[in-house]
Amino acid sequence: KAGVTQTPRYLIKTRGQQVTLSCSPISGHRSVSWYQQTPGQGLQFLFEYFSETQRNKGNFPGRFSGRQFSNSRSEMNVSTLELGDSALYLCASSLGVAGDGEQYFGPGTRLTVT
Amino acid sequence: KQEVTQIPAALSVPEGENLVLNCSFTDSAIYNLQWFRQDPGKGLTSLLLIQSSQREQTSGRLNASLDKSSGRSTLYIAASQPGDSATYLCAVQTGANNLFFGTGTRLTVIP
Repeated sequence: KAGVTQTPRYLIKTRGQQVTLSCSPISGHRSVSWYQQTPGQGLQFLFEYFSETQRNKGNFPGRFSGRQFSNSRSEMNVSTLELGDSALYLCASSLGVAGDGEQYFGPGTRLTVT
Repeated sequence: KQEVTQIPAALSVPEGENLVLNCSFTDSAIYNLQWFRQDPGKGLTSLLLIQSSQREQTSGRLNASLDKSSGRSTLYIAASQPGDSATYLCAVQTGANNLFFGTGTRLTVIP
């Protein structure tokens, strides 16, 4: 069974630009969650999508958005990039059933904003 | 708000030693607790998942325990090896399907 895949693996962008990251979950998983990891803040939850609907949202500004497609693949978009958005962005997939929440993470996308 | 703490922040041990990593959380209303391993610059690898109704889980040389009422979990690694060197993270899942992570313990096993 293939694991969680994320593309691209590395990105370099300039302040003010926007970026789109992609995540393909494990086959059969309907929930995709996104996390931001930085040295200062650690791992922080961005949002979760389940069956094409945003089900939960963390405490991030509206510049961070996402969506999920009918095949459960998800994209995350960050607009008007800031230097502080430089981070490792991880997505996780799970069945999405409450209480059965083992989450499997992808390798991440390393975003550098200059 | 759920807060997760891991102690120690870093640990260095000689190969072959048994060791314990600690995780504590402030809100005991959790669905489960998951231990992960992260190698530098990489994603997270799930090690063990303990449901809130369980007391412990074992996988090979790893054993994780959960005391939900006191808000604590431990990860026991037996007979450590250099390949165990990584950052270990614990995370708790609450009613929403998102994880609250600790800051991790960076483990170095010296050959």
